[in-house]
Amino acid sequence: QSVLTQPPSASGTPGQSVTISCSGTRSNIGGNYVYWYHQVPEAAPKLLIYRNDQRPSGAPDRFSGSKSGTSASLAISGLRSEDEAHYYCATWDDSLSAWVFGGGTKLTVL
Amino acid sequence: QVQMVESGGGAVQPGRSLRLSCAASGFSLSSYGMHWVRQAPGKGLEWVGITYYDGSKEYYADSVKGRFTISRDNSKNMVFLYMSSLRVEDTAVYYCARVLDRNDEAFAYWGQGTLVTVSS
Repeated sequence: QSVLTQPPSASGTPGQSVTISCSGTRSNIGGNYVYWYHQVPEAAPKLLIYRNDQRPSGAPDRFSGSKSGTSASLAISGLRSEDEAHYYCATWDDSLSAWVFGGGTKLTVL
Repeated sequence: QVQMVESGGGAVQPGRSLRLSCAASGFSLSSYGMHWVRQAPGKGLEWVGITYYDGSKEYYADSVKGRFTISRDNSKNMVFLYMSSLRVEDTAVYYCARVLDRNDEAFAYWGQGTLVTVSS
């Protein structure tokens, strides 16, 4: 059972938009930045969004992040086949004094 | 470019010990904190612990506290994860990851990982 809650799966067709949610509590998302990672099979995770809504250099602008209260979202527009991956949210948890992850969302591009 | 290469993984029996290494390059290791994160087969990501940029502090997840120790040798650009009293549930790919910057300890860059299998 992950501290942060994500839907296990999401899907869309090429060109569509998809949103992946990440739900937490006041001790984690509510008081700290949220980060998003994507991971393709047999590869290491890669930073996609940092500090709620910032994109690192090289991350496509089709990806955007937002946070409101104790929830965060990752929005992907103009879906492409290469977006098929697992997506994870992460943040610091003040109560646990630990970094915590969501369980991951597997995105399928139909 | 920023790069981390983990090594030292392998098969080990429950109760035994293992040391993983993370070789860092492309940046000054002495300026950055470093994490270890693991991923059990077919499962999600789990934070293991962090060592501060100067080695002054380490923090660990409750699941490994007292059994795992993170250390670093900035002069050799190396970070280590010493794992003792290993359990079957410690089986995972172990990644080292560099923090984003001095003010943000998020996982910015990741190595390719090394697999640890704990089995009798």
